[in-house]
Amino acid sequence: ILNVEQSPQSLHVQEGDSTNFTCSFPSSNFYALHWYRWETAKSPEALFVMTLNGDEKKKGRISATLNTKEGYSYLYIKGSQPEDSATYLCARGGRDDKIIFGKGTRLHILP
Amino acid sequence: DTGVSQDPRHKITKRGQNVTFRCDPISEHNRLYWYRQTLGQGPEFLTYFQNEAQLEKSRLLSDRFSAERPKGSFSTLEIQRTEQGDSAMYLCASSLGGGAGETQYFGPGTRLLVL
Repeated sequence: ILNVEQSPQSLHVQEGDSTNFTCSFPSSNFYALHWYRWETAKSPEALFVMTLNGDEKKKGRISATLNTKEGYSYLYIKGSQPEDSATYLCARGGRDDKIIFGKGTRLHILP
Repeated sequence: DTGVSQDPRHKITKRGQNVTFRCDPISEHNRLYWYRQTLGQGPEFLTYFQNEAQLEKSRLLSDRFSAERPKGSFSTLEIQRTEQGDSAMYLCASSLGGGAGETQYFGPGTRLLVL
């Protein structure tokens, strides 16, 4: 069984503050790491896909890093805004073509 | 491009009834995936298609579940003799190609409640 763990489970952040959360995953047979943002009543939205150790991706105020050797990825949000409130899912892709999701980090931005 | 759509968005049914959900992927996407998400969990893989061929089914998918993608475009997921444990969000996703590095584009899901 391949477990993808995300922490924290839930997070409250003051508007304007920066924050980050973690995704850890088995490093064996690793192929890709995906981050998605899922707002209530909407479709999960793809943020990043990373494949190489040391990869860093950025999209506006959101960025992510990848360490495949130790099996973790960080997602950073700079200067949180109310529209950042969502569940952030990471998913590990293996060589069997499937991706396995973590339980997500639920982010609440406080005005 | 209109994105992945799913119908219905919500379904309430009584235990023992059959339900069918539809997914329309992004046009020209060859891969189509079905996931189930329950409270406090991430999406769990159920099955996927390459064009019209169903390539894999999860052990989560009991004999009461069946999925089709008859012409390689839209897909249906049917649950027969629903049980309360089937209550969940059913998500569909599509991707242009295969492989775990390919971005999957999700629909908004169908939320099923079995009474």
